[in-house]
Amino acid sequence: IAGITQAPTSQILAAGRRMTLRCTQDMRHNAMYWYRQDLGLGLRLIHYSNTAGTTGKGEVPDGYSVSRANTDDFPLTLASAVPSQTSVYFCASSEGLVGSAEQFFGPGTRLTVL
Amino acid sequence: AQSVAQPEDQVNVAEGNPLTVKCTYSVSGNPYLFWYVQYPNRGLQFLLKYITGDNLVKGSYGFEAEFNKSQTSFHLKKPSALVSDSALYFCAVRDRNYGQNFVFGPGTRLSVLP
Repeated sequence: IAGITQAPTSQILAAGRRMTLRCTQDMRHNAMYWYRQDLGLGLRLIHYSNTAGTTGKGEVPDGYSVSRANTDDFPLTLASAVPSQTSVYFCASSEGLVGSAEQFFGPGTRLTVL
Repeated sequence: AQSVAQPEDQVNVAEGNPLTVKCTYSVSGNPYLFWYVQYPNRGLQFLLKYITGDNLVKGSYGFEAEFNKSQTSFHLKKPSALVSDSALYFCAVRDRNYGQNFVFGPGTRLSVLP
């Protein structure tokens, strides 16, 4: 069982370019999340999804969009990348959007926007 | 609103000594509380959680945490630190009554010195 996979592992991107970060889970979890991790700020929630077909905005959603066409996949798109989006991005999943179930995290994507 | 504080950016401890990583939280209702560990260039891994019942929670790798409702704290502890415990530790909270999402603290870097 792979858990959560993310692609690419790392990427250098020119400002203004469009980029999609991929996330796939094989645990059949209903809830999925995208976080960015920046030094000293911990993890900040970008977007989340309660179940296939539904998404919601987190703490820092501007400049990002997500879709949830099925249970397993939850891609994150930067429509026009800016240098402030340089960060490490983590995808996560949990059994539900509420309750005591813990989250499972992918290995992360390190994105540099120049 | 939910929030988590980890008052120490860095904790240094000698191998074999007990360690404590501090966490305090704020939620409107009652909390679910979590600890995660992050090793370099890896995603977060779940360590333990508090749901209800016994205030002392035991988790992976010999870690435990004590829930203190009056002090709104959930400090992570281990009786005897190992060099391999050196990592970044995150505390997280989810409001069991009102919270949809997890809120993470900024992280504490633990260094265990040989």
